[in-house]
Amino acid sequence: AQKVTQAQTEISVVEKEDVTLDCVYETRDTTYYLFWYKQPPSGELVFLIRRNSFDEQNEISGRYSWNFQKSTSSFNFTITASQVVDSAVYFCVVWDAGGTSYGKLTFGQGTILTVHP
Amino acid sequence: DAMVIQNPRYQVTQFGKPVTLSCSQTLNHNVMYWYQQKSSQAPKLLFHYYDKDFNNEADTPDNFQSRRPNTSFCFLDIRSPGLGDAAMYLCATSRDPWHTDTQYFGPGTRLTVL
Repeated sequence: AQKVTQAQTEISVVEKEDVTLDCVYETRDTTYYLFWYKQPPSGELVFLIRRNSFDEQNEISGRYSWNFQKSTSSFNFTITASQVVDSAVYFCVVWDAGGTSYGKLTFGQGTILTVHP
Repeated sequence: DAMVIQNPRYQVTQFGKPVTLSCSQTLNHNVMYWYQQKSSQAPKLLFHYYDKDFNNEADTPDNFQSRRPNTSFCFLDIRSPGLGDAAMYLCATSRDPWHTDTQYFGPGTRLTVL
């Protein structure tokens, strides 16, 4: 991908609030994959969801939901009823071939989510 | 549980003293990646191995090298660490590099250079 933009650098909410993390991407490829990863203070990148460019069906998984809109190149992520344990950096990530042999992941700059009790 | 393991979790080295970080995986994945993540930044891909095929990113400094002696292990060697190499180093694996099977990350090694 040429670019992945996460508009919010930091978000602060109080527990039980809903929060949406925005992501907009740019790619020249017609086939690509979208991911959200979570990075808690411990440092490990935790995989949350993967979507391919042909699957615009949105999904809800527990407190998490995703909204993929190909027409606007957006892949937003919502946490419902946030909890303190959701505090982390969230990365929106795009894989495409980008004209290379193997392709690679392009990361957004991350959104720091802080959930206060 | 199958996983990606990185040792050590914290590594302190001196300026210019070679250091090796290790990664192992029990997922039997074909691809192993090394990323560098500096404070408040996104991870940056350094290189990856697809089986024994080594693929270096164009902007990865020569100071960084890697070895993959077998499917399970991959090492990151920093020949002469500088202060600018202080970062979190993340290892990841995937089944293959094209179909973009999900990359699974280890817990990282935080490198301090004194």
